[in-house]
Amino acid sequence: AQSVTQPDIHITVSEGASLELRCNYSYGATPYLFWYVQSPGQGLQLLLKYFSGDTLVQGIKGFEAEFKRSQSSFNLRKPSVHWSDAAEYFCAVGAGLTGGGNKLTFGTGTQLKVEL
Amino acid sequence: GAVVSQHPSWVICKSGTSVKIECRSLDFQATTMFWYRQFPKQSLMLMATSNEGSKATYEQGVEKDKFLINHASLTLSTLTVTSAHPEDSSFYICSASSGPGNTQYFGPGTRLTVL
Repeated sequence: AQSVTQPDIHITVSEGASLELRCNYSYGATPYLFWYVQSPGQGLQLLLKYFSGDTLVQGIKGFEAEFKRSQSSFNLRKPSVHWSDAAEYFCAVGAGLTGGGNKLTFGTGTQLKVEL
Repeated sequence: GAVVSQHPSWVICKSGTSVKIECRSLDFQATTMFWYRQFPKQSLMLMATSNEGSKATYEQGVEKDKFLINHASLTLSTLTVTSAHPEDSSFYICSASSGPGNTQYFGPGTRLTVL
């Protein structure tokens, strides 16, 4: 069964500083990887996804993530954080192309706080 | 594009009553919809997967007779919490996908409070 680990429950960065959120996954085949962001009381917004190809993926709002198979990681990065980036970030791994659909397993999330 | 809506956004009900939550894909046909439950400050837990026109597939530990899911059309799925109890209070989020392997797009969630 697939699993996702987000080691950092909380992260605080200053506005304008760089950001890296860690994500490690466990999956027996080629993973489908996602990063979502959730603002308080809201649903999830897709930031970016990796299915195949280039291991450096660009997303919305200036985010990027790099798939590293050797490290089973899919860390999310942003060069310069804005105060509006404060939110909860979830990494997820999908079961891939199966008859049962792309079931997602989520990590426990990382709460990002941005100091002005 | 890829907008998913949920209705209602919040609901308060008495213990023992049933509550229906709707999930709609507004600009695409969702062959697969998913229902999640999220407790405060926790991650999303998949409850069930529904394919249009088929019975839903429930995750282990989720009572199918308590959480009734209907996916009668390519744009609408409903979750009915039957005989709700306070422990069912949670944030319920749906997502929709246009097919196996495709990206899931999430609704804004429904906050259910059972008194």
